[in-house]
Amino acid sequence: DTEVTQTPKHLVMGMTNKKSLKCEQHMGHRAMYWYKQKAKKPPELMFVYSYEKLSINESVPSRFSPECPNSSLLNLHLHALQPEDSALYLCASSMRPGLAGEGRRGDTQYFGPGTRLTVL
Amino acid sequence: KQEVTQIPAALSVPEGENLVLNCSFTDSAIYNLQWFRQDPGKGLTSLLLIQSSQREQTSGRLNASLDKSSGRSTLYIAASQPGDSATYLCAVNTGFQKLVFGTGTRLLVSP
Repeated sequence: DTEVTQTPKHLVMGMTNKKSLKCEQHMGHRAMYWYKQKAKKPPELMFVYSYEKLSINESVPSRFSPECPNSSLLNLHLHALQPEDSALYLCASSMRPGLAGEGRRGDTQYFGPGTRLTVL
Repeated sequence: KQEVTQIPAALSVPEGENLVLNCSFTDSAIYNLQWFRQDPGKGLTSLLLIQSSQREQTSGRLNASLDKSSGRSTLYIAASQPGDSATYLCAVNTGFQKLVFGTGTRLLVSP
């Protein structure tokens, strides 16, 4: 089973709302990722969690707040978003984070179906 | 800064043709390269991963090659089918699982 699930599929929110995106995997993967994809553009990395700890933050604005409560679950908390934050938000996971002690080789990243976010 | 480019941006072929998608990257210091397909409005499906020490990977009708020194990878699709219609993305791993994606090739295979 190589499935990553994301909820909700679609989300519409106002600029003053607080909402959360959820991502789940049961493959025993120890690295999880958030990507943002604007229309007709490739995905861009936002955050990486390695062994449930935030290891990479690609200078993402603080209105996006990630959380990794356990090794299977990844959340993205949203607050005071702007209309330009409207995009497809993709979650991914991989067996290992590709850290220096692991030879940095890296593994296949498996993606979820995404959450289509619209900010009004 | 790593930049990844894919050529062509769009490709339209009749069913049954063999085709080649190209991916080039500016910095050869990569750990691996991964090919994905993406259907409209959907997530990404992993097709193949090539480690930096490898030259080639095959899965069914797909064959991907990697020439790290020249900064190039190709994805060969044999006997294309309408179900292959999608956007194909390559992504290079620059370390710590940071993927930098290419600009994508939109493929349409007509019956």
